[in-house]
Amino acid sequence: KAGVTQTPRYLIKTRGQQVTLSCSPISGHRSVSWYQQTPGQGLQFLFEYFSETQRNKGNFPGRFSGRQFSNSRSEMNVSTLELGDSALYLCASSLNRANYGYTFGSGTRLTVV
Amino acid sequence: DAKTTQPPSMDCAEGRAANLPCNHSTISGNEYVYWYRQIHSQGPQYIIHGLKNNETNEMASLIITEDRKSSTLILPHATLRDTAVYYCIVYTASKLTFGTGTRLQVTL
Repeated sequence: KAGVTQTPRYLIKTRGQQVTLSCSPISGHRSVSWYQQTPGQGLQFLFEYFSETQRNKGNFPGRFSGRQFSNSRSEMNVSTLELGDSALYLCASSLNRANYGYTFGSGTRLTVV
Repeated sequence: DAKTTQPPSMDCAEGRAANLPCNHSTISGNEYVYWYRQIHSQGPQYIIHGLKNNETNEMASLIITEDRKSSTLILPHATLRDTAVYYCIVYTASKLTFGTGTRLQVTL
């Protein structure tokens, strides 16, 4: 079966711009989580959606937002980009919140110049 | 959130078992232990998870101590393709809190 699909794979943006990243979970998975990975901070949790509702949020500024659609696809948006937002953004989906493993996508590498 | 402690790096000869330890002394009774690995800058790959009992799948075995304060991931016959960063994670409040992981280097 198809895995978690993230688009685009690579993105270059200018400071001050905004960006939208997309994630299509595995068919049937209703939980979608987003993570940011940087060399300095490692992998950090951004937020989690389940059935179109945000159920948990990490410690990130309000410039980072997300949403989930009725088909479980999810988007995350970063407004007013800063150089420090350059990172690999990873999406993960799960069949169930608790005791099933999360499957990660290959990520979107965002570079802010 | 329950924290995990892992050695920063380990070496293992190809064909031998790789035993990766993890300390999670503050884990709560209903929190799962997950193991993931990340190769280069790919997305993390799920390996195995457990609550109390030892678990085994086609990739690895997970041994959890009786007091649940530590666990060991065992790759029975490591290959060069197992070279990666391995993360031990306590799953809390619907999120995976990644630490710095163990960089496993498998050598010939």
